[in-house]
Amino acid sequence: AQKVTQAQTEISVVEKEDVTLDCVYETRDTTYYLFWYKQPPSGELVFLIRRNSFDEQNEISGRYSWNFQKSTSSFNFTITASQVVDSAVYFCALMGYAGNMLTFGGGTRLMVKP
Amino acid sequence: EAGVTQFPSHSVIEKGQTVTLRCDPISGHDNLYWYRRVMGKEIKFLLHFVKESKQDESGMPNNRFLAERTGGTYSTLKVQPAELEDSGVYFCASSQEGGTGEWAGTEAFFGQGTRLTVV
Repeated sequence: AQKVTQAQTEISVVEKEDVTLDCVYETRDTTYYLFWYKQPPSGELVFLIRRNSFDEQNEISGRYSWNFQKSTSSFNFTITASQVVDSAVYFCALMGYAGNMLTFGGGTRLMVKP
Repeated sequence: EAGVTQFPSHSVIEKGQTVTLRCDPISGHDNLYWYRRVMGKEIKFLLHFVKESKQDESGMPNNRFLAERTGGTYSTLKVQPAELEDSGVYFCASSQEGGTGEWAGTEAFFGQGTRLTVV
């Protein structure tokens, strides 16, 4: 069975602060894929990143960075210098090698205040 | 290029009524998925189409839910009769064709969801 846990249900920060969203996963697959999605107020799920289990390199994309650690089964997401437009619900998700579906965490609601 | 489109964006129906949700995937995407998020819970997989065939419907909650994808283009998800616990947001996603495992890393594009409220 696969499971994704996002322990932080809601985070509130002030603009320009850095914030890290935690994601811990469980899977028996040796090959799997990890994702982060953003859900802005408009409702759609916007793809942010996909990570293969055999690639533990951290990734940076502008103000976004991701820290993948297989040893702790974590795939954390950091926003540097947060902005009001970053306010959204963020979902971490897992897909097994042989599977065809995403297993989502419960989501973290991020509120960035001006 | 148009993204995944879902209709309606919001639906309010009475318990016992029927509702049909529609999803138009990105053109050329053979894989189409339905997910839903009921209040306060995780987004859960419902089913997966490859073209017009149901690849996996293990997430469908019961036989009140019927999904179709005629011609391998758009898909409909019918709930009949609707119950209060069916309230939630129903998401549709699509991705490009690929084999099991190979495509598993393929990005799935999601629609904006349909918020279903059963009263």
